Amino acid sequence: DVKVTQSSRYLVKRTGEKVFLECVQDMDHENMFWYRQDPGLGLRLIYFSYDVKMKEKGDIPEGYSVSREKKERFSLILESASTNQTSMYLCASSSSLSQHFGDGTRLSIL
Amino acid sequence: QKEVEQDPGPLSVPEGAIVSLNCTYSNSAFQYFMWYRQYSRKGPELLMYTYSSGNKEDGRFTAQVDKSSKYISLFIRDSQPSDSATYLCAMSENYGQNFVFGPGTRLSVLP
Repeated sequence: DVKVTQSSRYLVKRTGEKVFLECVQDMDHENMFWYRQDPGLGLRLIYFSYDVKMKEKGDIPEGYSVSREKKERFSLILESASTNQTSMYLCASSSSLSQHFGDGTRLSIL
Repeated sequence: QKEVEQDPGPLSVPEGAIVSLNCTYSNSAFQYFMWYRQYSRKGPELLMYTYSSGNKEDGRFTAQVDKSSKYISLFIRDSQPSDSATYLCAMSENYGQNFVFGPGTRLSVLP
């Protein structure tokens, strides 16, 4: 079974902090994605990557950046955290139509 | 108008009922249609996918796509309490790229 592991289930940070969310997949998938999930809005794509060192902006990239130095690892960075970035963050990987998700990181920015 | 619309629910049904979950969309270029199930405090997991119009059946689950109406459905027969979850539809124009998700419908199946 594909496993996508997100480093933290819950995280509390302060405004202005630089925040790192880590995601690792174990199935050698080329494609990796970062979403945020908010009530009533569903999943919104922040960034995605189709290869190592490659990244593409999704629908809501403002305030975020990403890093993919190794195929199995995709990191989401909040450069200067703000309260409107409080959300559930989901990482996914895929090699086809089927996206495999981690269990999410619930991030609170105080 | 959102690109993909979905009734958020919650939808409560008795065990054994037939459940109908629906999404409408505005982008006629969508060709790939997926349904995900998300249990509480878990990530979504893929249930089914279809390409273009038509029906697809997998056990108690049937997915339908009507591209002319820009409307997709997921039917669950003989619903079970273990089906209680949030169901998300997702769509894309190209294979494996640029998925657009609906907001999800929360379903409760009561024993």
